[in-house]
Amino acid sequence: EVQLVESGGGLVQPGGSLRLSCAASGFIFSSYDMHWVRQVTGKGLEWVSAIDTAGDTYYPGSVKGRFTISRENAKNSLYLQMNSLRAGDTAVYYCATRGVEVGAGFDYWGQGTLVTVSS
Amino acid sequence: SYELTQPPSVSVSPGQTASITCSGDKLGDKFACWYQQKPGQSPVLVIYQDTKRPSGIPERFSGSNSGNTATLTISGTQAMDEADYYCQAWDSTTALYVFGTGTKVTVL
Repeated sequence: EVQLVESGGGLVQPGGSLRLSCAASGFIFSSYDMHWVRQVTGKGLEWVSAIDTAGDTYYPGSVKGRFTISRENAKNSLYLQMNSLRAGDTAVYYCATRGVEVGAGFDYWGQGTLVTVSS
Repeated sequence: SYELTQPPSVSVSPGQTASITCSGDKLGDKFACWYQQKPGQSPVLVIYQDTKRPSGIPERFSGSNSGNTATLTISGTQAMDEADYYCQAWDSTTALYVFGTGTKVTVL
């Protein structure tokens, strides 16, 4: 059974940093692209970052230069280092896998971890 | 940046068909996916590659994608289908992923 378990969320002051983790199990972690997606309470989904199997990373403009995604295949773990946090980064952060086919979707999601940026 | 637009809400009677649209520039040239999200739960993939259903997704969910519009159709809608639905695509120009604005489906 595929499982993705996020951790590391919490309350942080504006301008602060936080590191999220995602522990994966039940599949060959190193063979899959991994993603972070966030959701402000009551709002829509926003893709935050991706790392492919080669270690190449991708970010939307809203977080580029502030967030860093990484992976540690030996530990079946995904990370998101978030710096220079703003109130607008307050959201539930999900890690997700994407299937290997072209046009595949985000087929497995974690339960999410809440990040609150507030003074 | 690439944008996907959905109607904020769709209402449907039990047993009837619900259609949810997702509009984006030349969306038909890309692959569209759809997700269902119920309150307090993580999203669930219901359609990928425009028309394919993952294992375990009921046959009443179907998808299409042409021109500038992708459509998720729920045939014989059931009360359990009441949820938020999001479309999603990959913009090859920027190599970035985009989600639609989301549609709340209400089964009256």
